[in-house]
Amino acid sequence: GQQVMQIPQYQHVQEGEDFTTYCNSSTTLSNIQWYKQRPGGHPVFLIQLVKSGEVKKQKRLTFQFGEAKKNSSLHITATQTTDVGTYFCAGPGTYKYIFGTGTRLKVLA
Amino acid sequence: DGGITQSPKYLFRKEGQNVTLSCEQNLNHDAMYWYRQDPGQGLRLIYYSQIVNDFQKGDIAEGYSVSREKKESFPLTVTSAQKNPTAFYLCASSTRQASRYGYTFGSGTRLTVV
Repeated sequence: GQQVMQIPQYQHVQEGEDFTTYCNSSTTLSNIQWYKQRPGGHPVFLIQLVKSGEVKKQKRLTFQFGEAKKNSSLHITATQTTDVGTYFCAGPGTYKYIFGTGTRLKVLA
Repeated sequence: DGGITQSPKYLFRKEGQNVTLSCEQNLNHDAMYWYRQDPGQGLRLIYYSQIVNDFQKGDIAEGYSVSREKKESFPLTVTSAQKNPTAFYLCASSTRQASRYGYTFGSGTRLTVV
């Protein structure tokens, strides 16, 4: 069945360093979504990408959808302690989205 | 304010008991979902419903049951057949296509078997 994998599984960075998580799908996606879950909290929708090669920015966060629409990335510039949490990507399946395995980010002050 | 409410926030269950987790949304969303999350792990889909009076099993439905009698409500029952129910349970809702705005999640219920 359709699978969505993310790497790395964990990432520890010093505050101020950059961070990137990668999302790979076993099938071509019509769109991809990204979510953030703070420790102890619930996932919150961040953004949806639809077009091949699309790049969107939200302040220090840059989201990219691959040309083949099978992969995506989230890059955070100059991480802050508020960026701590788990980042999930999700791709559409049949009547539901398939969530990636998640990347847990820890920021060391 | 529109949103999705899960209750209770914390729930303790004795072994052999059934418990029901509540999920209510006032977003007028057609679709609702239940996920299980174990510590440090991802989201595993238990059940989902695209429309009232219809629902489908997800990846880990064994030991769980749901109902969808109203558009606003999608309660999850954790039965005694679920051998390891201690986990964080998340309910979510979305429009039928879940496009543009994605899933809206509730704040979750932490279930502990004592």
